[in-house]
Amino acid sequence: TQLLEQSPQFLSIQEGENLTVYCNSSSVFSSLQWYRQEPGEGPVLLVTVVTGGEVKKLKRLTFQFGDARKDSSLHITAAQPGDTGLYLCAGAAEGGNNDMRFGAGTRLTVKP
Amino acid sequence: EAQVTQNPRYLITVTGKKLTVTCSQNMNHEYMSWYRQDPGLGLRQIYYSMNVEVTDKGDVPEGYKVSRKEKRNFPLILESPSPNQTSLYFCASSLSPPQGVYTEAFFGQGTRLTVV
Repeated sequence: TQLLEQSPQFLSIQEGENLTVYCNSSSVFSSLQWYRQEPGEGPVLLVTVVTGGEVKKLKRLTFQFGDARKDSSLHITAAQPGDTGLYLCAGAAEGGNNDMRFGAGTRLTVKP
Repeated sequence: EAQVTQNPRYLITVTGKKLTVTCSQNMNHEYMSWYRQDPGLGLRQIYYSMNVEVTDKGDVPEGYKVSRKEKRNFPLILESPSPNQTSLYFCASSLSPPQGVYTEAFFGQGTRLTVV
């Protein structure tokens, strides 16, 4: 069982549509990170959320950290083909070791 | 240029033949880690290191060894590779550990390992 559960696993949408990706856990996290990975490359950090209830915006991407710091969401407005990729959430559970856990990822395809 | 460099990018080997995947970072980061990435399972941490001579097991350490003799290098060693270790491997580094403040992980390009 993954410490961080991401949904959906796969998402295929048309250009211009909106979408939301979820990252859930039963554990509390001091912070959560969202990464984007393209084929043949390592993941690249998009954002880190730290405070419960925090909302961060990165152009068309909106990230939210749950009030209890157990979950997070990524919302993309008016998706573009360039948004295609694997989106991963990651973090270290509060009070745990310094081992970093990743969700299984959401593979997004945006069709022109 | 700030980067994490791992070598080789691709490797095909036979069962039981010891191999080492190298990882080097030029950002003076304290925290380094190794992950394997498998379809449907995401990234799973193999080992991590908080600093020189300090290493700890991650989620899936069986069959792997690491060492951290210098701050910049963190090699991954497979003493006796088996087919179930066929995977895509990533090395990563960050200024501070995940429980800290500067937690952005910088990843290498990946090593695709096939064990036959």
